[in-house]
Amino acid sequence: NAGVTQTPKFQVLKTGQSMTLQCAQDMNHEYMSWYRQDPGMGLRLIHYSVGAGITDQGEVPNGYNVSRSTTEDFPLRLLSAAPSQTSVYFCASSYTRTAPYSPLHFGNGTRLTVT
Amino acid sequence: GQQVMQIPQYQHVQEGEDFTTYCNSSTTLSNIQWYKQRPGGHPVFLIQLVKSGEVKKQKRLTFQFGEAKKNSSLHITATQTTDVGTYFCAGPGNAGNNRKLIWGLGTSLAVNP
Repeated sequence: NAGVTQTPKFQVLKTGQSMTLQCAQDMNHEYMSWYRQDPGMGLRLIHYSVGAGITDQGEVPNGYNVSRSTTEDFPLRLLSAAPSQTSVYFCASSYTRTAPYSPLHFGNGTRLTVT
Repeated sequence: GQQVMQIPQYQHVQEGEDFTTYCNSSTTLSNIQWYKQRPGGHPVFLIQLVKSGEVKKQKRLTFQFGEAKKNSSLHITATQTTDVGTYFCAGPGNAGNNRKLIWGLGTSLAVNP
């Protein structure tokens, strides 16, 4: 099993460009989520999904879109990149959609710089 | 809103010394999870505590969940350089927020050899 796979590992964008961060998991997990991590800010939830066709907002959703057409994939779209979106992005998945949660499995992250 | 606080924010120790990080929630948690993130890496799940007063051990690591299920601690005995990283605690949100994990900001541990 590959676990949670994120691509790309690194990306540099210019302000205003759009791009999609890819996330795929092969563990048949219902729950998938996207976090961003900035120094001193911990992990902040952007969007999450409890199953195919279902998505919801986290605490910092502005500027990001997601979709969940399959159980395996949960891409994160940046519509018009801004320097404030420079961050490390993690995709994470878990088996259960309701509390108590089973552990989150994280991808290796995508390091995004917006100039 | 619901918050999870972790202290200390940073800790430097000499190899062989003990280390403890504390996690305090503003509300009662149904469970608490601990993760470790190595520098440049991604968070990795360590353990989940569910019962009031629960204590679990993993080799040199001891995890406790408070009786009121509002606080938790992670204690490392005789630290090693392999323990370097940031330790996060997280618990499920309450009521209508229960599909989200509420994270502490983490405790960064540095170990001098």
